[in-house]
Formats: sequence, structure tokens, C-alpha cells
Amino acid sequence: EAQVTQNPRYLITVTGKKLTVTCSQNMNHEYMSWYRQDPGLGLRQIYYSMNVEVTDKGDVPEGYKVSRKEKRNFPLILESPSPNQTSLYFCASSLGLADLQYFGPGTRLTVT
Amino acid sequence: AQKITQTQPGMFVQEKEAVTLDCTYDTSDPSYGLFWYKQPSSGEMIFLIYQGSYDQQNATEGRYSLNFQKARKSANLVISASQLGDSAMYFCAMREGWDNNDMRFGAGTRLTVKP
Repeated sequence: EAQVTQNPRYLITVTGKKLTVTCSQNMNHEYMSWYRQDPGLGLRQIYYSMNVEVTDKGDVPEGYKVSRKEKRNFPLILESPSPNQTSLYFCASSLGLADLQYFGPGTRLTVT
Repeated sequence: AQKITQTQPGMFVQEKEAVTLDCTYDTSDPSYGLFWYKQPSSGEMIFLIYQGSYDQQNATEGRYSLNFQKARKSANLVISASQLGDSAMYFCAMREGWDNNDMRFGAGTRLTVKP
């Protein structure tokens, strides 16, 4: 089954404790992205990747890092989480730029 | 500046009627793609329909159609014969150019279908 998986689905952590949210897709897609969703703001893109070792900043990259060492994985790293990073995070992938994006189920992160 | 504007925070529609969800966009790039996504209460994002800036005809997918008015920079989603299961948040999104994966989303419209 074609899918994008994210782990963990839910995470409560404390300020400053490094964390990684994993994202994996099994469709051999080149394009992957991370978004955060906040009430009234829709989805905002954090980082995206066009291929292995090719990443670029989206709309709101501050406080986040990503890596793309393999085509299927695109982890999101918060080196020092802060409460303003409390949000719902989505990973997405697509085959091409004009193709639909497949979204992961979302990760709800709370930073206290 | 907002790239994607959805002016309707919430909409109501009677079951079996059609509804139009508004979306306007802002870009100076002649090449772009417009997307609509549905997010039910369960939280997942579901792709609905895509319109390319050079597409001559309005996109249609089943009960979904996109009313693309390029000169007005609008890409409204039309849902025909609404069903109770259409109750959800709907997001309009745009990708500019063909050399990046930078996507911008609107704030969304919450649609409620009344029985």
C-alpha cells in the first residue's frame, strides 16, 4: 500500500530537549516536504526536498533542520524545541511537481 | 503578503446542493499549479483536484470541479451534490514555478453539510 508514515504520532516534550520526527514514503517519490498546521494559518511549509541531498527552506524554517540521505526518508529535527513549535506537523511526498502530494497522518507535538 | 487567500472561514450547504469555496492567489510567475485538499475531522489531508496555469480547461474530478479564472487569479472549488461526508476543512494551495517544491496554503474553509 502506497503511504507516507510519520513517527511519533503524538509527542509531548519539554523546552530544549532535542527531538526527531521521522517521515518515510514507499512510493519512490523524489519530492518531500514538511508542513506545520496552526489554527487560522492553514499549512505552512517548513522545508522541502527535491531529491537526495537536496533540501531547501520553505516559509517557516527557523528552529528546524532536515536531512535527506535516502530517497524514502525525510526526518524533521528540532534541536532545541520551544513552546511556539507546538503544532500539528505533516510530512508529504509527490512524484513530480505537478503531481498530487501524499500526506502522512500528522504528528501532534506539544512543547511545554 | 498572502499568496493564497480563502475568504470564507466557514460555509454551510444543504445536502445535495452545490457549493463553491473561494480561493484567490497572488503570483507573478506565469507557471504555477493550484491544488485543493480536504481535511476531515480525522486529520488526514486528502488531495482533491489540480489545475495547472497553462491548462486550457477547468479541472474536474468526479463531483469536484475547479472554476479557474486566470485573469482574476481565482481558483474556486465547486462541489456538486454535497454529501454529509463532505463536511471538512478545505485548503487551497499553490506551487509557483517548476524548479522548486515551495507550496503555499490558504487558511482554509470549514464546510458543514446540513442534512
